Amino acid sequence: GQQLNQSPQSMFIQEGEDVSMNCTSSSIFNTWLWYKQEPGEGPVLLIALYKAGELTSNGRLTAQFGITRKDSFLNISASIPSDVGIYFCAGRGTGANNLFFGTGTRLTVIP
Amino acid sequence: DTGVSQDPRHKITKRGQNVTFRCDPISEHNRLYWYRQTLGQGPEFLTYFQNEAQLEKSRLLSDRFSAERPKGSFSTLEIQRTEQGDSAMYLCASSRPPTGEQYFGPGTRLTVT
Repeated sequence: GQQLNQSPQSMFIQEGEDVSMNCTSSSIFNTWLWYKQEPGEGPVLLIALYKAGELTSNGRLTAQFGITRKDSFLNISASIPSDVGIYFCAGRGTGANNLFFGTGTRLTVIP
Repeated sequence: DTGVSQDPRHKITKRGQNVTFRCDPISEHNRLYWYRQTLGQGPEFLTYFQNEAQLEKSRLLSDRFSAERPKGSFSTLEIQRTEQGDSAMYLCASSRPPTGEQYFGPGTRLTVT
């Protein structure tokens, strides 16, 4: 199956700092999605990307669809305590119905 | 606008018992997906419905698992003769063309003792 490597695995940052995380795939995807998951809940969709090179923002979040179509990046600016959670990247290949998920980046924000 | 709902949220069962979970997708979404998530991992695809037709099944979906979506609205996932390895979070998601963005429910946490 598809392998998605997400890094870093975990991050401990001070409130107000910016955060960067990335996701790489062994295969080409035509859709990249970023989700946030909190304990005991399902993933919540943050940003969707559909074109190579696309840069999309959602409030303090910005994500990019890599030019090679094998990677994606998520940045969070001016982090706040409620940003705590696990961030997952997910990709979908051409003609595919299902998503392949990364292993997640666990974010801890220290007030 | 209601999101995806799942019932129950938690289920504890003894090994060998059968369990059934329900998912109600977002009302105008014709596509429905089941995923399984174990601790420390991302969700893994199990199966996909377009309307009432089950169009794709993962190799993770063993013979003990069956999913239905009889009227193209809600879906059920049944696990027969549960094993301890079935303990996981079972997630349902729905989407509609053309974007295919998948929206997840809160999940059903299954514990097999």
